[in-house]
Amino acid sequence: DTEVTQTPKHLVMGMTNKKSLKCEQHMGHRAMYWYKQKAKKPPELMFVYSYEKLSINESVPSRFSPECPNSSLLNLHLHALQPEDSALYLCASSQARQEIKANYGYTFGSGTRLTVV
Amino acid sequence: KQEVTQIPAALSVPEGENLVLNCSFTDSAIYNLQWFRQDPGKGLTSLLLIQSSQREQTSGRLNASLDKSSGRSTLYIAASQPGDSATYLCAVPDTGRRALTFGSGTRLQVQP
Repeated sequence: DTEVTQTPKHLVMGMTNKKSLKCEQHMGHRAMYWYKQKAKKPPELMFVYSYEKLSINESVPSRFSPECPNSSLLNLHLHALQPEDSALYLCASSQARQEIKANYGYTFGSGTRLTVV
Repeated sequence: KQEVTQIPAALSVPEGENLVLNCSFTDSAIYNLQWFRQDPGKGLTSLLLIQSSQREQTSGRLNASLDKSSGRSTLYIAASQPGDSATYLCAVPDTGRRALTFGSGTRLQVQP
């Protein structure tokens, strides 16, 4: 299995809703990432998990709450979002840097298109 | 802080042309460089991963080169086809933050 699977593919939520995005990989990767991408812009890093521990939070508002319950799963919990949070949310995985110094590439999922109304 | 730049921002060519997409980065201490393709509203598909010790990497009609010392990479697409129309992104791992830093992408349109 060489894929990163994201669900749902599309999500529409109100500003008072609570929802979750899910990401799963079975490549044995121990680093997982959340990126946010606005239209016609490159992906922007949100969070990095390494060995199921949060290692980087790029000053993301607390209405976004990541969770890594095990080495294969990554969640992003959403609460009280704003319309400007509407974007494509991408999950990615890679080998952890501690394991191999150079030869790791990143695998991305197909994303969740989030619309906040 | 690593910065990645891609030129041109957009490109429109007739089918069959050979073309070159450019990527430059400011910190040459990179482990590797990865080229991705992104169709509108979709995720990122990895095209080529080129290691810092390599000069080039090939996959089908695609060839990526890397010149670490000058901070440049090129993606060469031979005999372009309408199905190649997409946005092409180059990215390098940020050695400090341990995550990918992306260029702004080149939007390619191949006219039939």
